[in-house]
Amino acid sequence: DTEVTQTPKHLVMGMTNKKSLKCEQHMGHRAMYWYKQKAKKPPELMFVYSYEKLSINESVPSRFSPECPNSSLLNLHLHALQPEDSALYLCASSQEAGTGVYNEQFFGPGTRLTVL
Amino acid sequence: GQQVMQIPQYQHVQEGEDFTTYCNSSTTLSNIQWYKQRPGGHPVFLIQLVKSGEVKKQKRLTFQFGEAKKNSSLHITATQTTDVGTYFCAGVWPYGQNFVFGPGTRLSVLP
Repeated sequence: DTEVTQTPKHLVMGMTNKKSLKCEQHMGHRAMYWYKQKAKKPPELMFVYSYEKLSINESVPSRFSPECPNSSLLNLHLHALQPEDSALYLCASSQEAGTGVYNEQFFGPGTRLTVL
Repeated sequence: GQQVMQIPQYQHVQEGEDFTTYCNSSTTLSNIQWYKQRPGGHPVFLIQLVKSGEVKKQKRLTFQFGEAKKNSSLHITATQTTDVGTYFCAGVWPYGQNFVFGPGTRLSVLP
C-alpha cells in the first residue's frame, strides 16, 4: 500500500470554528509532513514529524496545531483561521527525515480548505 | 532562508518537441528531488539526485545534477500530452533550511 489518505477532501469553515484535518499512511514511514499550497504556487513546508516527534515547525502561526497520535496518523488542528489561510493542505510521508536527509515523499490528495 | 530558483516559469511546446527546466541554488545542496504535479493533483516524486555530476534517465526523462551540486535540470524528449503539469525541484541542504520546493515550471503540450 503506497497510498497516503487525507480527510476531508473539502472543508469550509468560519473564522471562529475549530476543525481538524486527518492524514493516514500504512507504508511504515517514520516521517510525516504538512504542507500548505496556494494556487499556482509550490507547496510550503509547515511541519515535519520524525518518529512521532515534531522535528520542524517552519514558523507556522499557533492557530495551526499539529498532532501525531501514532506513526501512521497525522492531524492538523485548526482554530481561529483567517481567510488568507484558505489553501490546499497536503500531507506527505517518507521513510525518514532530518537535517540534510530527506527521502522520497509520498503525498496525499490534499484537503481544500476555504475560510470564510 | 535558502531557496531554489527555477526557469522557465512557463513553457508551451508542440507535442513531440523537447522540454527542459532548470533549477539553481546559491549554496551547495545535499541532494535535489524532482516532483510532478498534474493540474488538480498532488505532487508525485520523480527522482532524487545525490552525487555531483549525476545523470539519471527514466524513459524520456533525463535528470542531471551539476558538478558543484548547485544546479539541476530535467529534460523531456519528444513531449506527449501526458507530460502536462508543473515540474518542481526541491532542494535539501546539509544545514539550515531543510526542504524547499522551487517555484515550478508549468508545462503545456499542444497536440
